[in-house]
Parts: sequence; structure tokens; C-alpha cells
Amino acid sequence: KAGVTQTPRYLIKTRGQQVTLSCSPISGHRSVSWYQQTPGQGLQFLFEYFSETQRNKGNFPGRFSGRQFSNSRSEMNVSTLELGDSALYLCASSQGQTYGYTFGSGTRLTVV
Amino acid sequence: GEDVEQSLFLSVREGDSSVINCTYTDSSSTYLYWYKQEPGAGLQLLTYIFSNMDMKQDQRLTVLLNKKDKHLSLRIADTQTGDSAIYFCAVYSGYSTLTFGKGTMLLVSP
Repeated sequence: KAGVTQTPRYLIKTRGQQVTLSCSPISGHRSVSWYQQTPGQGLQFLFEYFSETQRNKGNFPGRFSGRQFSNSRSEMNVSTLELGDSALYLCASSQGQTYGYTFGSGTRLTVV
Repeated sequence: GEDVEQSLFLSVREGDSSVINCTYTDSSSTYLYWYKQEPGAGLQLLTYIFSNMDMKQDQRLTVLLNKKDKHLSLRIADTQTGDSAIYFCAVYSGYSTLTFGKGTMLLVSP
């Protein structure tokens, strides 16, 4: 059974640009969550999607957005990149909290 | 909101047991998880416990939950050098959200 796949693994972007990250969940998992991991703030929840609907959103500015497609694949977009957006972005898929959340390897975003 | 605290660092010798501790604030938390992160990698789910349980054992891993004190621990028996990593405690905070601790770096020396 394939795991959670995140692409690309690494990205380097310039301040002011925008970026789109992709996440393919485990087959059959309809919930996809996104987290930002930084050395200073640790792991912080961005948002969660279930059946193409955003069910919950963390405390991040509107520059951070996401969507989920009918096949459960999800994308997150960050517009007008800032240096502080440099982080590891992790995606997790789940069948529900009873089964745990499986994370992908992440996308390492560097903003210069 | 939920707050999860962990000690930052633990050093043990190979073959010893490791105990990583975690405290949380929300007594209504239903599921509590332990994740492992190796350098440059994502998070690997190790085990989890439902709040109506006191203990869960899974091969070398033992999870203890003290709901009264809101304290969770992960014991790794016969710790190996391959267990060196960062271990995260995570609490289900409702609405499909996990709240993570800052992580405990476990260093296992030969």
C-alpha cells in the first residue's frame, strides 16, 4: 500500500513569489491535513480537508490556502512568499482519529 | 487552546530503556499519539492510545497514560542506536487537528 506522497521534496523560491505544494493521500483516505514545521514554532496545523471541503483552519494568514480534489489529492498554495515561510510542510492523511494520521516525507521550502 | 510539553533531550546507552515524557492541558483529549522523526524525513506514527486506556504495549514500545495528571509517556525497551531520532507527542484536539509537543531528541550511544 503506497504511503502519503508529497511533491516536490525541495523548493527554493524568491520573496514575493507564490508556490503550490501537492499531496497524494493513501488510497481510501478522505481526510488530508497540512502542517508547517519550523525550528522555532515546531509543528503547527494549517488546515484540513475532507471530501473537498475545508473543515478546519489553523491560525495562519490568508496567504496560505488549500484545496482538495475529488480523488482526495490536495494542494496548498502560499502567495507573496516571505522569508519566514521557509519551513518543512507536511501533509497527513487519515481515515479518522481512531486510526491515526500518516504523514508524508514533506516538502522543504526555502524562501530567499 | 491545547498545550503539549515535552523535555527536549534524552541520552541513553544502547540496551537501556528510554522513557520520554509528555504533559498536556486539555483533559477532554481522546486520542494521544507518538511520532518519530529521523533527520530529513517526515513523521512516522509509532503508536497511539485512546483516553479510556491506561497502558498500551506494542513490541518494544509501552505507552502509559495518567489522565488525572494529564501525563503520557513512551517507554522504549532495549534501545538501539537506530532509535536515535526526535520523538513527538501529539494530542487530538478536535476538528481533525493534532497539537504537537516540541519534540524530544533521543540520542543512543553505543
